[in-house]
Formats: sequence, C-alpha cells, structure tokens
Amino acid sequence: QSVLTQPPSVSAAPGQRVTISCSGSSSNIGNNYVSWYQQLPGTAPKLLIYDNNKRPSGIPDRFSGSKSGTSATLGITGLQTGDEADYYCETWDSSLSGCVFGPGTKVTVL
Amino acid sequence: QVQLVESGGGVVQPGRSLRLSCAASGFTFSSYGMHWVRQAPGRGLEWVAVIWDDGSHEYYADAVKGRFTISRDNSRNTLYLQMSSLRAEDTALYYCARDDAGLGNNFDYWGQGTLVTVSS
Repeated sequence: QSVLTQPPSVSAAPGQRVTISCSGSSSNIGNNYVSWYQQLPGTAPKLLIYDNNKRPSGIPDRFSGSKSGTSATLGITGLQTGDEADYYCETWDSSLSGCVFGPGTKVTVL
Repeated sequence: QVQLVESGGGVVQPGRSLRLSCAASGFTFSSYGMHWVRQAPGRGLEWVAVIWDDGSHEYYADAVKGRFTISRDNSRNTLYLQMSSLRAEDTALYYCARDDAGLGNNFDYWGQGTLVTVSS
C-alpha cells in the first residue's frame, strides 16, 4: 500500500483535458518536491514533470504539474492516443527516509 | 548520450542471493546519485534504494532493508544491488535510474531493466 493516493484510471476523448491527482501528507508531498512519470506499455518510465511543475527538455507543454498543500496534480491537455499510458507521482517521504511512488493511474483515450 | 544498462537478473531460488549491475555511460557518473526501482509483473513502480554520488549515504525501502545493499564503483561507472535472502515477492523488473541532482529526487534517465524471478 502506497502512502500516496492516485485514482486507478481516468479517461477522456481525444483533444480533451484530464487531470490526475496525487494525495499525500505533510511527511511527503507537503514538504517535498513532486515528480511525475509516464510509462508507456512495455517501456521504462519517463520523467514528465520534476520539482512540482517543471518540464524536462522535449516534454510538450500539454503536460503540466502543480502542487498545493499535501496534494499534487498532473494535467494533460489536447489528449492524444499516444498519451495512453500509466502515470505515477513520486516524492520523498521524510518519515520513511525514502522515495515513494503513487500506485499509478491509467489514462485511456476514448 | 546517457545510457544505463542493467544486467545480472535471472531465476533464483528463495533464500539465495543475486547481484545486479548497472553500467553507466554518457555522463559524469560520480556526480549523480543513483537509484534502484522495481516493478513486479502487472504492478506499479516501487522504489528500492538510493546511493549518493560519492557513496556516502544510502537509503532503502522498508521492504528490502537489511536484505539488499546498494553500492557503486565510480572508477568503473557502475552501480550495484546486492540482494540476499530473496523472497517470491522480490520478483520484478529492476531498473536503475539517475537522480538529476535537482531540488527533488527526479529520475531523469532509466535503464531498460533486468528481470529477477525468485522461484523454487
């Protein structure tokens, strides 16, 4: 059981917007930076968002991140079929003295 | 270009040991912290361990603490994971990942993974 909570799945039509929440506590999200990863089927995860809201080079601005209190959110606009993947949030947990991943959210493009 | 190549996976009996390696290239290995992350079949990502750039600090997930040891050889640009007292629940694809040395723990490059199967 992860200390972070994500919805198991979200879905939307092409071109629409989805948001994925990641809820935690003061020992993790509340006092540490959050990153987000995209994992396409059969591939290694890829960094999408780091330090709460920054995008690595090459990541389109359709992807955005935000954090408020003990929750973080990943937003994807202009949804494309190629966005179908599992998405994970991640942060450091000061109580556990370790990194923690959320359980993952599967994005389906209808 | 940054490359991380894991090796050492395989089928091992419960209670036995195994050592994974991650060969790094394309960047100054000694300047970056490194992580192991695993993924059981059909399951989500699970962080395993981190080692600082100079090897001075290590942290482990509770699930592996006392059984796994992360280490590195900066002269060989190689990261290791020594796994002992293996259990069926350790069966997973093991990834090594680079920490981008930013404000948070951001895994900016990943290997392709090496599969560990613990079974009698």
